[in-house]
Amino acid sequence: AQKVTQAQTEISVVEKEDVTLDCVYETRDTTYYLFWYKQPPSGELVFLIRRNSFDEQNEISGRYSWNFQKSTSSFNFTITASQVVDSAVYFCALSEAYTGNQFYFGTGTSLTVIP
Amino acid sequence: SQTIHQWPATLVQPVGSPLSLECTVEGTSNPNLYWYRQAAGRGLQLLFYSVGIGQISSEVPQNLSASRPQDRQFILSSKKLLLSDSGFYLCAWRQGRSPLHFGNGTRLTVT
Repeated sequence: AQKVTQAQTEISVVEKEDVTLDCVYETRDTTYYLFWYKQPPSGELVFLIRRNSFDEQNEISGRYSWNFQKSTSSFNFTITASQVVDSAVYFCALSEAYTGNQFYFGTGTSLTVIP
Repeated sequence: SQTIHQWPATLVQPVGSPLSLECTVEGTSNPNLYWYRQAAGRGLQLLFYSVGIGQISSEVPQNLSASRPQDRQFILSSKKLLLSDSGFYLCAWRQGRSPLHFGNGTRLTVT
């Protein structure tokens, strides 16, 4: 079964629009970590954020914000006032405490910001 | 600070030729090391991970192999490449419950 689901394969927005990337995860572990990564066209994977399962506080970093809701097993990522440089593939990932060596990645959401 | 080096950046190899991709990590000891592959327009597929020297776990049966001859060195190999081995190969490391930190990747084209 897919442990991390990113249902949005591709999203296009016009510059300055807000956009939310969805991530739904599945785990039986009570201790786990959630991550978001950005993959720009150059290919490298850039770490954006890590959240542990005991911290449901939403986080904001500049134009980026993350909404973690255990009740719906979701960890959504919102970009406010999108810019062309935000165009990339974004991956959500899960790491569980009892299988700590493994990372489970979603299939990614390709975001295109149109100028 | 920790850094990860992966080379080469691009590689074009004929079908049936051998492969060796190397990854080294600096600034940390006994990291977990990973090899991922990303086919064009697709997600990340975990190929191998290692928790220590000589310890390799394989996630996907295929004609690739991995070795960890030194604590901070991880090598991906193949004796005979297939067309289906083309893709973007990423090495990554992790310490404890830290995020995965990725190298810049190797773009492999098998012709």
